[in-house]
Amino acid sequence: AQTVTQSQPEMSVQEAETVTLSCTYDTSESNYYLFWYKQPPSRQMILVIRQEAYKQQNATENRFSVNFQKAAKSFSLKISDSQLGDTAMYFCAFMKPRGDMRFGAGTRLTVKP
Amino acid sequence: NAGVMQNPRHLVRRRGQEARLRCSPMKGHSHVYWYRQLPEEGLKFMVYLQKENIIDESGMPKERFSAEFPKEGPSILRIQQVVRGDSAAYFCASSNTSGRYNEQFFGPGTRLTVL
Repeated sequence: AQTVTQSQPEMSVQEAETVTLSCTYDTSESNYYLFWYKQPPSRQMILVIRQEAYKQQNATENRFSVNFQKAAKSFSLKISDSQLGDTAMYFCAFMKPRGDMRFGAGTRLTVKP
Repeated sequence: NAGVMQNPRHLVRRRGQEARLRCSPMKGHSHVYWYRQLPEEGLKFMVYLQKENIIDESGMPKERFSAEFPKEGPSILRIQQVVRGDSAAYFCASSNTSGRYNEQFFGPGTRLTVL
C-alpha cells in the first residue's frame, strides 16, 4: 500500500517570500506520479504541479517548483514570491499509472500581508 | 468543454435516509473515481469505475455504500441509511485512457451533512 505523509499541518509565510512544503511517501513501485493540489476555501481541487517518477528533472510551473528526491521518497513544493491568493490547503498525492490517487493529510498555508 | 460536474453541491439528510450523489464526467472521459474528504483531512479513495464496470472498490465501506456508472447518464454514489459519520465532502474525478497516465480532473464536490 502507498502512504503519503505531510508532516506540517500548518505553515505561514510573508507575502513575497518563499516557503517550502514537505511531503514524503512510501511505495515499492518504480513507476508512478506525484502531484501537489491546492484546495482554497471553495474546496475545488486545483492541480498545482505534477512530477513523473522516471524523470530526474524537477518540475517547475511558474512560481511553483518541486524538489523530487526519488531515493529518499521525498517530494517538496517550493512556492516563490508568495501571494495572498496562495492561501489554501495543499495536498501532496501519489498515483500509480492508471490508478487511483492517495493523498496526504494536507498543509494549511497562510500568506500574510 | 464543461468540466466535471457534481450535483447537488450541498445535500442535507437525516439519519436513516438515503443520499444519492451524481457525477457527470468530462466529455469523452470514461473513467470515474470517487473520493471522500472528512473535515480537516485529505481525500480518501473510495471507488474507481469505468462504464458499466467497477474496477476497484477497495476504499468503499462494506455496507451501505454503492456506486455505479451506467452506459448512459452520470455516475451515482449511493449511501443508504446515512449516519452522522457520513458527513463529508465527496469528490468525483474523471479521466480518459489517452496519454501515459490517466490525469484526473476533479469536480467541485458534494458536501453531505447528516443531521
